[in-house]
Amino acid sequence: DVKVTQSSRYLVKRTGEKVFLECVQDMDHENMFWYRQDPGLGLRLIYFSYDVKMKEKGDIPEGYSVSREKKERFSLILESASTNQTSMYLCASSPRDSNQPQHFGDGTRLSIL
Amino acid sequence: SQQGEEDPQALSIQEGENATMNCSYKTSINNLQWYRQNSGRGLVHLILIRSNEREKHSGRLRVTLDTSKKSSSLLITASRAADTASYFCATDSFIGTYKYIFGTGTRLKVLA
Repeated sequence: DVKVTQSSRYLVKRTGEKVFLECVQDMDHENMFWYRQDPGLGLRLIYFSYDVKMKEKGDIPEGYSVSREKKERFSLILESASTNQTSMYLCASSPRDSNQPQHFGDGTRLSIL
Repeated sequence: SQQGEEDPQALSIQEGENATMNCSYKTSINNLQWYRQNSGRGLVHLILIRSNEREKHSGRLRVTLDTSKKSSSLLITASRAADTASYFCATDSFIGTYKYIFGTGTRLKVLA
């Protein structure tokens, strides 16, 4: 079965820390995505990648960076965490064909104190 | 700005009743997808409908698409308590892109 695994379900960090959120997929998908989900705002795209070492900014990239060194792994980095980055973070993957659905991980609930 | 906007924001029904959720979008699309999210979990894909399709069924789910009105609806028939979740539509931001835009969702509560 298709599997997208996010490294942590819950994470608590302090303001100013560098935070890494990891996502691994086992489906050999070309595309990977990072979203954040906040009440009343739905899912907002932070970054996506359509190939190894490739990345594209989404709608809200400020304060974040990403890394895709291997096809199966897509990392989200908060360079200097701030309280307004407290949120649910969702990783997803999909095949290159844009007529295919995205597969999501279970999310990481990140709290920045 | 949100491409897909769901309506209503929240819906509460009795078990056995049908639930209808609507999604409106603004620009031309290649396809439209519906997802379900149980509380505190990731999204699960339900159904994809292409722009040249008008209706699609999957079990108790029925999705319609009206490209002239830029709208879609998701019907869940004979609802069950296990259908309690949030439902999102997602549209590609332009034809052929990998990038999807999700709406804010409809929270469905099915009462036993």
